[in-house]
Amino acid sequence: DAGVIQSPRHEVTEMGQEVTLRCKPISGHNSLFWYRQTMMRGLELLIYFNNNVPIDDSGMPEDRFSAKMPNASFSTLKIQPSEPRDSAVYFCASSFYPGQGIEQYFGPGTRLTVT
Amino acid sequence: AQKITQTQPGMFVQEKEAVTLDCTYDTSDQSYGLFWYKQPSSGEMIFLIYQGSYDEQNATEGRYSLNFQKARKSANLVISASQLGDSAMYFCAMREPTGGNQFYFGTGTSLTVIP
Repeated sequence: DAGVIQSPRHEVTEMGQEVTLRCKPISGHNSLFWYRQTMMRGLELLIYFNNNVPIDDSGMPEDRFSAKMPNASFSTLKIQPSEPRDSAVYFCASSFYPGQGIEQYFGPGTRLTVT
Repeated sequence: AQKITQTQPGMFVQEKEAVTLDCTYDTSDQSYGLFWYKQPSSGEMIFLIYQGSYDEQNATEGRYSLNFQKARKSANLVISASQLGDSAMYFCAMREPTGGNQFYFGTGTSLTVIP
């Protein structure tokens, strides 16, 4: 079975540009999470969806960040305009809801560099 | 209050020795799940072990075991017979039904195995 798929794996962009990160969760999973990881702040939850509905977006740092999940098999995280401080590894993870006993499956991450 | 606390930023262990990584959690739910993840230098997040709040036995997965002390709200990871490949960041996480089955991660412990 394919795991969580993220694209692109690496993104280098200039400040001010729009960046779109993509995620395909594991088939059958109905819970999707977006995380950001940096050395300074560690692993931060940005937003998560259950059944395509955003449940908690309190971790989204600013209005420059937006996330959508138009269907069960696809989600995007968009940064517009991007800034150097957005440089980080962005992980998408999926799981099954409800289910306290179900772990999250992480994608390989997208390494974003904003110059 | 932090949901997950990992108080050891860095740990060292001699190869073939056992090591315990500490994790305490905070929840008022009766039903919840506890997880450990490993993140090697390559960056992927690897699920290691799960413990349910109602499980009476400590979880074990190969060389990994989870020392679950419910009254103390601790879920320490024990790695036996450490190997060089165990050098990585280790994250403790909790999933609770309140708030839509969100996952909470600790700040991680960096483990270095010394030959």
